[in-house]
Amino acid sequence: DVKVTQSSRYLVKRTGEKVFLECVQDMDHENMFWYRQDPGLGLRLIYFSYDVKMKEKGDIPEGYSVSREKKERFSLILESASTNQTSMYLCASSRSWMKNIQYFGAGTRLSVL
Amino acid sequence: AQKITQTQPGMFVQEKEAVTLDCTYDTSDPSYGLFWYKQPSSGEMIFLIYQGSYDQQNATEGRYSLNFQKARKSANLVISASQLGDSAMYFCAMRVGPGNQFYFGTGTSLTVIP
Repeated sequence: DVKVTQSSRYLVKRTGEKVFLECVQDMDHENMFWYRQDPGLGLRLIYFSYDVKMKEKGDIPEGYSVSREKKERFSLILESASTNQTSMYLCASSRSWMKNIQYFGAGTRLSVL
Repeated sequence: AQKITQTQPGMFVQEKEAVTLDCTYDTSDPSYGLFWYKQPSSGEMIFLIYQGSYDQQNATEGRYSLNFQKARKSANLVISASQLGDSAMYFCAMRVGPGNQFYFGTGTSLTVIP
């Protein structure tokens, strides 16, 4: 079974802090994604990566950055957390071929106070 | 522009009955994939079923089937014999273009009544 692991289920941070959300997948997938999920808005893509050290902006990259130093790990960084970044963050991974099914982690619920 | 629309914010179904969750999509790309995910209250998104744009037959996975009507650009999920454990949010998604990006709908909350 594919396993995508997010380092924290719940996180509470203060405004202005630098926040790291970590995601690890164990299926050697080429692609990795970070989404945020807010009620009534569905999932919105923040950043994605096709390969190690590659990154592409999604629909809402402002205020975020990412790092992919190893194939299995994709980190989302909030450089200076703000209250409007309080949200559920979901990481996903997929292969670059066949059906490209995205497999998700359990999510990190981040509160910025 | 790519778009996925789910018009039912909430649905109720009696246990053991069938239910259809609606999804329409919009893309001009002839090659795309359509997906349904389930999100229980625990938060994890669980893949349910996939339909490719060139697939001739509707996809089925156990109690889940996808009613794919290409001309109408619809990809409705049918859940047969509903169970209490089916209560969750359900998201329709579309993959299109070379970037493997997904576009998600806003979701439908399904409640199964005993």
